[in-house]
Amino acid sequence: GESVGLHLPTLSVQEGDNSIINCAYSNSASDYFIWYKQESGKGPQFIIDIRSNMDKRQGQRVTVLLNKTVKHLSLQIAATQPGDSAVYFCAAVSGNTGKLIFGQGTTLQVKP
Amino acid sequence: SAVISQKPSRDICQRGTSLTIQCQVDSQVTMMFWYRQQPGQSLTLIATANQGSEATYESGFVIDKFPISRPNLTFSTLTVSNMSPEDSSIYLCSVEVAGKGYTFGSGTRLTVV
Repeated sequence: GESVGLHLPTLSVQEGDNSIINCAYSNSASDYFIWYKQESGKGPQFIIDIRSNMDKRQGQRVTVLLNKTVKHLSLQIAATQPGDSAVYFCAAVSGNTGKLIFGQGTTLQVKP
Repeated sequence: SAVISQKPSRDICQRGTSLTIQCQVDSQVTMMFWYRQQPGQSLTLIATANQGSEATYESGFVIDKFPISRPNLTFSTLTVSNMSPEDSSIYLCSVEVAGKGYTFGSGTRLTVV
């Protein structure tokens, strides 16, 4: 079945450094990808998305890269701040189902 | 994007009882979904709530355990039936707004004792 996975359960970075969180997906029909941030006690919060006709998209301090050849996407956070500490999930949608399937999550810890 | 109000935000329930969770959206949406997030885990899709027809359940989830209603395009309920401690989780409502992605409610934190 369809799966979405993250490479590392925990990532620890120094404040001010850049963070890179990776994700792999299995369904080649996936055509829309979203990164979410979840803080304790809250629902997932949208960070950035990308469609399969693109390989890069930038937001404020965040960049998502998509490599469809190897079914891999990454989230890059520039100048990581303490407020970025949270669990990050990648999620994928296949156009023919409309269902959003989540990966396992990476906990980002930012050291002051 | 849509604003979702989910109630209750948390509850502690006795085993064997049932709890109904409500999801209210501030605009009409086509797609509504229910997810479960077990402690320390990711989100697992329970079902797609279909307006005017039976929900579409994912593998491992059944209507008798998780009955869902969707009477209109702005409201849905999920019932967790005959609860056991294994049902202790966060339950989240999500909607898709065309062109604007998927939005989540803040979730219902359920503890079964």
